[in-house]
Formats: sequence, structure tokens, C-alpha cells
Amino acid sequence: QKEVEQDPGPLSVPEGAIVSLNCTYSNSAFQYFMWYRQYSRKGPELLMYTYSSGNKEDGRFTAQVDKSSKYISLFIRDSQPSDSATYLCAMSFDGGSQGNLIFGKGTKLSVKP
Amino acid sequence: NAGVTQTPKFRVLKTGQSMTLLCAQDMNHEYMYWYRQDPGMGLRLIHYSVGEGTTAKGEVPDGYNVSRLKKQNFLLGLESAAPSQTSVYFCAIKGNTRTEAFFGQGTRLTVV
Repeated sequence: QKEVEQDPGPLSVPEGAIVSLNCTYSNSAFQYFMWYRQYSRKGPELLMYTYSSGNKEDGRFTAQVDKSSKYISLFIRDSQPSDSATYLCAMSFDGGSQGNLIFGKGTKLSVKP
Repeated sequence: NAGVTQTPKFRVLKTGQSMTLLCAQDMNHEYMYWYRQDPGMGLRLIHYSVGEGTTAKGEVPDGYNVSRLKKQNFLLGLESAAPSQTSVYFCAIKGNTRTEAFFGQGTRLTVV
């Protein structure tokens, strides 16, 4: 079993839809959780960052962490064609010397006008 | 992806040739990483460095070497390129008190 599992999709939704992207993980020691967005032929860029359990909201984006279920989610409200990208979840044990990130394989999202 | 510059952006190599990829940062971060990204495989860590003069192996280090002689630069070398090393290579940096990493734009390498 991989440490981080992410459904690769592809996921296609109409503009304005609510999108839910998810990752599951196996190691309960993960403390830091991130979502990266990667446009085609570009490097990943940090979208959201959360520590431990709970929710974090930034505009149309909400990141949710449920450590009891080892499950993290990214919700996109009122999705736009410009949200079309691959979304990668990432997590780490701590922010210091052991802070190497473990990535999911990414979910490719397409938002149709 | 301000702060992380990868050189070159594209390269085609013949099997057996060697090359060096350069990652340069201007954010004074301690940690630097080299990843490769392949379809269906996600991002896989090749080597990383936690400071000037240090390097360590990641998940897929075979066939690659690295050096961090200066804090701002992290070099990835392929001594004898193989078609299996055809990939997109990303450099990333991270502060030693932070968790989030910042990526470069990538180097597309094709080995024929």
C-alpha cells in the first residue's frame, strides 16, 4: 500500500460546479498537509497548507483534514475553466529536518465552460 | 515560480551521454530537492540536500548524482543517460522551519 493514495481521475465538471478532490494516507504520523496545483507544462504551485486536523478556507478553496480517518479533501466552489489543472496532495511528518514531502499522484481536473 | 530557476528547460540526449541540470534559488532556503515526474507515477524524489555540502538519497537515486557546493545551487548529474531517464525534472526548495516547498518550472529531458 502506497503511503498516499489519490484518485488520478480525470475528473470533468461543468463550470460553476463544486469539486471535491481527496487523498487517503496510511501513516498517522503525518502532521502537515498541502495541496498543490499544477498547470500543464508548469511546476507545481502551493495552493493550500494546513496543520493537523480541521478546515482552512481561502476564497473558493477549502482544505479539510480528518486525521481520525486519514483523509484529506480539497473543495473548489464555483469552479472556473481556469481551475483546470492537476491537483496534487502532499504531506509530511514535520516542518524541520524530517519535512520531506510525500506526494499523491495527482488528480487531473477539467472544468468545461 | 519566482525564486527557483532551472537550467536548461529542454534537452535531448543520446543514450550514454552525460549532462548536468542546474537549480538555482534566491530565497536562501536550506533544503533543496530534485524530483522526477512521469505519467502515472507522480512526483518521485531523486536526491535532496539539507544544507550546503550535504546530500542524501531519495526514492529513486540510481543513475543520478548530485552536488551542493554553494547554498544557492543544487546540481543533478546524469553520467550515462538511459532512455528510462526520459522525464520531467523538478527542483524544489524549502525553508528549514517551514513545511511548504516551492518548485521550479521543470526541465524536460528526452533520452533517445
